[in-house]
Amino acid sequence: DAGVTQSPTHLIKTRGQQVTLRCSPKSGHDTVSWYQQALGQGPQFIFQYYEEEERQRGNFPDRFSGHQFPNYSSELNVNALLLGDSALYLCASSLLLAGANEQFFGPGTRLTVL
Amino acid sequence: DAKTTQPPSMDCAEGRAANLPCNHSTISGNEYVYWYRQIHSQGPQYIIHGLKNNETNEMASLIITEDRKSSTLILPHATLRDTAVYYCIVRLYLSSGSARQLTFGSGTQLTVLP
Repeated sequence: DAGVTQSPTHLIKTRGQQVTLRCSPKSGHDTVSWYQQALGQGPQFIFQYYEEEERQRGNFPDRFSGHQFPNYSSELNVNALLLGDSALYLCASSLLLAGANEQFFGPGTRLTVL
Repeated sequence: DAKTTQPPSMDCAEGRAANLPCNHSTISGNEYVYWYRQIHSQGPQYIIHGLKNNETNEMASLIITEDRKSSTLILPHATLRDTAVYYCIVRLYLSSGSARQLTFGSGTQLTVLP
């Protein structure tokens, strides 16, 4: 049973560019959440997708957008990249109606903005 | 979600029990206590969660005080592979089944010494 997978593992972009990160949830899960983790800090919630809609959003600008596909996989898009967007981007999946269950995290995508 | 307070770092001798404390004095009645850990350069890993009773699984035990204002994560026989940042998170459980996002703090860096 594959866990949460993310691609690519590493990415280097320059300021002003756009980037798309991808996530496949754990088998049987229907909800995907994205987190940003700057160096030395805990992960910060970006948004959550369920039934192909954004359900919750953290304190991130509109430059951060996402999408969920019918197979529950998800993409995170960041436009007009800033140096401060350099971080580890984590995807987590869960089963919405399971209530207080745990979220499973992928290994992350390391984004470097030069 | 209630805020948590954890010591920034702790050491533990290999083979001994590691006891990681967490204060969550503003926790409300329908908030669960979750513990995750993050080994260097990996995504966070779920450890355990509880509401008010003590919980135990194959990884750890969770002791929650009677007033629920603090808790302790216990790793009974710490190994070098348990070296990680441990996050204590208080998370609202919604009876509708909606999975709220995780709000990470700075966590405790546990170093298991040989």
